[in-house]
Amino acid sequence: GENVEQHPSTLSVQEGDSAVIKCTYSDSASNYFPWYKQELGKGPQLIIDIRSNVGEKKDQRIAVTLNKTAKHFSLHITETQPEDSAVYFCAASIDSSYKLIFGSGTRLLVRP
Amino acid sequence: GAGVSQSPSNKVTEKGKDVELRCDPISGHTALYWYRQSLGQGLEFLIYFQGNSAPDKSGLPSDRFSAERTGGSVSTLTIQRTQQEDSAVYLCASSLYRGLTEAFFGQGTRLTVV
Repeated sequence: GENVEQHPSTLSVQEGDSAVIKCTYSDSASNYFPWYKQELGKGPQLIIDIRSNVGEKKDQRIAVTLNKTAKHFSLHITETQPEDSAVYFCAASIDSSYKLIFGSGTRLLVRP
Repeated sequence: GAGVSQSPSNKVTEKGKDVELRCDPISGHTALYWYRQSLGQGLEFLIYFQGNSAPDKSGLPSDRFSAERTGGSVSTLTIQRTQQEDSAVYLCASSLYRGLTEAFFGQGTRLTVV
């Protein structure tokens, strides 16, 4: 079936460095790609999203890029801070119903 | 309310018993999802309601799982004859329009089957 693959599963970076998380999707008709951050004991929250009519979107230290031909999209966090430590999920809206399917998550640790 | 509300927040049940989990979505949101998150794992899709369309049940792991959404608002996820492997956090989310707009998540119901 349709799925979303996410890499890496864990990522440890030094404070101030950049972090990149990558996802691939299988449904070429997908056209909405959000990223969510989940802190311990809480539900996921949207941090940035991108639609298929653009290739890149930026919001302060966070950016997302989309390559529709290759069917992959990435999250870039620059100048990482300890409070960026969390689990990050990518997602894609798939098939004609546009239901949201999530990747398996990346646990990001920013070392002070 | 201002956000997605789930109840109960925690539920401990004995193996073999039935449980009902409730989700109150944001008013006016047409799409409602249920996901399951096992300890340290990702978000497993369970079921998706969109407006008055027939729900997409393709993620339900077995026929012990069912869900309904009454009046296009409140949703109930029912697990019959619970098993230990059903222990997880069950998350509900709603979005204004299909999976094309931001999905807002509730805090989840932590289900423990003993």
